[in-house]
Amino acid sequence: ETGVTQSPTHLIKTRGQQVTLRCSSQSGHNTVSWYQQALGQGPQFIFQYYREEENGRGNFPPRFSGLQFPNYSSELNVNALELDDSALYLCASRRDPNTEAFFGQGTRLTVV
Amino acid sequence: KNEVEQSPQNLTAQEGEFITINCSYSVGISALHWLQQHPGGGIVSLFMLSSGKKKHGRLIATINIQEKHSSLHITASHPRDSAVYICAVAPNTGTASKLTFGTGTRLQVTL
Repeated sequence: ETGVTQSPTHLIKTRGQQVTLRCSSQSGHNTVSWYQQALGQGPQFIFQYYREEENGRGNFPPRFSGLQFPNYSSELNVNALELDDSALYLCASRRDPNTEAFFGQGTRLTVV
Repeated sequence: KNEVEQSPQNLTAQEGEFITINCSYSVGISALHWLQQHPGGGIVSLFMLSSGKKKHGRLIATINIQEKHSSLHITASHPRDSAVYICAVAPNTGTASKLTFGTGTRLQVTL
């Protein structure tokens, strides 16, 4: 039990739609990062939020966006879904950017 | 060549065996993470280390910064240790969460 909860656990969307994935972090963890893990591959860093502002981003287009809220929850939004967006999406929270990361169980997104 | 390489890619062991998984990286790092991923996806952080050695139960992780190499050892392996073990490195500049992950080592421990 990591104390990090993601919802939903599974989701099916149609190409072109928009999706919002949610992550509830541990209390006091003001840093959250999101990762995309395609089948059979290692996770890829999408972005990090620290105290409600994005402060680091990987090689993902602007249609991937996020929000972090004062209650230690966060969202990953993906617009104009493409088939290649099908993946496991993981969030990880930390007390601050340089401490141990606690991962959620992930949301498995399928785009058809 | 990937920045983080793990070996072996697949490993089958019998219960009770001593297991070693290796990770080599080619970039400067601030920390290295060992993670465990079970079928279904969830990731558990096992260790975060930047020098030396850490031990937790039957798990031991070591890192040699000069050689850019880390090892994860499992003593007295058990079928419940069956999982994918992933090595990930945090850069020594920029965003610490911008982890670069290895492709994982799939471990199967049989009775």
